[in-house]
Amino acid sequence: NAGVTQTPKFQVLKTGQSMTLQCAQDMNHEYMSWYRQDPGMGLRLIHYSVGAGITDQGEVPNGYNVSRSTTEDFPLRLLSAAPSQTSVYFCASLSSGQGADTQYFGPGTRLTVL
Amino acid sequence: KQEVTQIPAALSVPEGENLVLNCSFTDSAIYNLQWFRQDPGKGLTSLLLIQSSQREQTSGRLNASLDKSSGRSTLYIAASQPGDSATYLCAVGLHGHNNDMRFGAGTRLTVKP
Repeated sequence: NAGVTQTPKFQVLKTGQSMTLQCAQDMNHEYMSWYRQDPGMGLRLIHYSVGAGITDQGEVPNGYNVSRSTTEDFPLRLLSAAPSQTSVYFCASLSSGQGADTQYFGPGTRLTVL
Repeated sequence: KQEVTQIPAALSVPEGENLVLNCSFTDSAIYNLQWFRQDPGKGLTSLLLIQSSQREQTSGRLNASLDKSSGRSTLYIAASQPGDSATYLCAVGLHGHNNDMRFGAGTRLTVKP
């Protein structure tokens, strides 16, 4: 059981480039989220999904797009990378969102935008 | 707007000590509260989850308490070990489902042998 997987582990982009961070989970969880972690600021929610075909914005959605065509996958797209998007990105999932379920996090993608 | 604060930002203790990590939040209307552990360069691992109707949860040497009215939670670690060295993050669940969470910046714990 792989849990939550993320690719790539590391990425360097130039300003203006676009890319997709991949996230997959094999636990059949309905809820998935993307966070970014910056030094001294904790994790901030970018986008989340409560099921296939349903997505919504989190705390810091600007500059990012998401889609959820399957239960397993939840990719995060950077449309035109900016240095302010340099961060560590975490994908997470949980099963039902009924308040008693914990979130499972992937290992993260460290992104640097030059 | 919900804000989560963790004090202290860093803590160093000798092995064997009991210690308390603090978490405070500004809006008491939370869905639940979770404590996570993060090792350097790794993802987050959930340690304890307290639902809004609960006062505490225990797992092994860890005990987490929740006081919604005062906007506080504590994580108590008994008989600390060098393997407990990590960053500990507190997060509160908002609205009707807990994948909309607000995180504190964490407390970096070092347990010295």
